[in-house]
Amino acid sequence: GQNIDQPTEMTATEGAIVQINCTYQTSGFNGLFWYQQHAGEAPTFLSYNVLDGLEEKGRFSSFLSRSKGYSYLLLKELQMKDSASYLCAVRDSNYQLIWGAGTKLIIKP
Amino acid sequence: NAGVTQTPKFRVLKTGQSMTLLCAQDMNHEYMYWYRQDPGMGLRLIHYSVGEGTTAKGEVPDGYNVSRLKKQNFLLGLESAAPSQTSVYFCASRGTEETGELFFGEGSRLTVL
Repeated sequence: GQNIDQPTEMTATEGAIVQINCTYQTSGFNGLFWYQQHAGEAPTFLSYNVLDGLEEKGRFSSFLSRSKGYSYLLLKELQMKDSASYLCAVRDSNYQLIWGAGTKLIIKP
Repeated sequence: NAGVTQTPKFRVLKTGQSMTLLCAQDMNHEYMYWYRQDPGMGLRLIHYSVGEGTTAKGEVPDGYNVSRLKKQNFLLGLESAAPSQTSVYFCASRGTEETGELFFGEGSRLTVL
């Protein structure tokens, strides 16, 4: 079956760095996405990786290793507004998205 | 720029009642999707559409029907609501770019008693 695993919850301190991991087993691979979802709101797009390596976008970076079925989202200089759930999703061979359950990130002052 | 708009935002139904959720997008996107989100689970695809007049089943289609009569609208119907359909429903759309970024509506919280 297809599976996306990510930690349920993480806690970090304002100003620090946090890494959220995502491992996947899917039928084919056509890209990996990270979305941010604040409580009670809709998910919003953060990043897209289709080739191995690191994609940097401001304070957020996303890494992909296709051979290991592994990605991480790196958040630097954490701010209170970064408190949210972070959703990992993989696009399979049918171009359908398979979603992880999300990682709830709690930022403490 | 409205993006993706869902109505209603909240609804309470009794078991057996029917209702329709409306999704409208103003980005001229070909692809539209209906997801449900439940605690502790990833988003699950109910139905989707690759263009006007087309629909297809997703991962959890039972108990739901959809229609895409106009490109900008995607309707999700519940013919006979059940408590298991209590959830938050999200509509999303995307264009044909390789990235395939999804644009989500604000969500519709449905409770079935």
